[in-house]
Amino acid sequence: TQLLEQSPQFLSIQEGENLTVYCNSSSVFSSLQWYRQEPGEGPVLLVTVVTGGEVKKLKRLTFQFGDARKDSSLHITAAQPGDTGLYLCAGTLYNFNKFYFGSGTKLNVKP
Amino acid sequence: DTGVSQNPRHKITKRGQNVTFRCDPISEHNRLYWYRQTLGQGPEFLTYFQNEAQLEKSRLLSDRFSAERPKGSFSTLEIQRTEQGDSAMYLCASSMKPWLQTYNEQFFGPGTRLTVL
Repeated sequence: TQLLEQSPQFLSIQEGENLTVYCNSSSVFSSLQWYRQEPGEGPVLLVTVVTGGEVKKLKRLTFQFGDARKDSSLHITAAQPGDTGLYLCAGTLYNFNKFYFGSGTKLNVKP
Repeated sequence: DTGVSQNPRHKITKRGQNVTFRCDPISEHNRLYWYRQTLGQGPEFLTYFQNEAQLEKSRLLSDRFSAERPKGSFSTLEIQRTEQGDSAMYLCASSMKPWLQTYNEQFFGPGTRLTVL
């Protein structure tokens, strides 16, 4: 069983729509990271959230860390075709040693 | 270029052959991680190093897989007697947790795509 569950697994939307991707766990994390990955490339770090309840914004992307530090969400406003990719969440427990990854959300934004 | 680099980017081999991949982390990073990723899935942890010490190895990793980081800088991942099920993207990442920082961040290389025929 995976420590982090991501939903939805697939998302296909039209340009201009909004979307939210969820990352949930029953474990408490010291931090959560969100990555975006394009085909044939390595994941690129978008953001790290550390404090329970924290909200971070990166242009049209809004990231939230749950109050209990067990879940996180990524909201994209007015999606663009350039947002297409695999979105991954990853978390570290309090020993900082390992990163646990979700299974990813594959986003396709149609022009 | 100060990012993580991996070589080769692509490797095609026949079943039963040995392959070796190299990862050069960001220069000041003391932790180095190897992952395997199949299409459309999240990365699966294989092993990680702190400096030259291999601190953890996944139970999913068979004894055909071995990794080294001899001087605490670059690392190699070797797969012996490759099988078709080994076909995947092999990703390397590095991190450095500053002393006063409460969280860790890792940065990935571009990966090595292995195809076993």
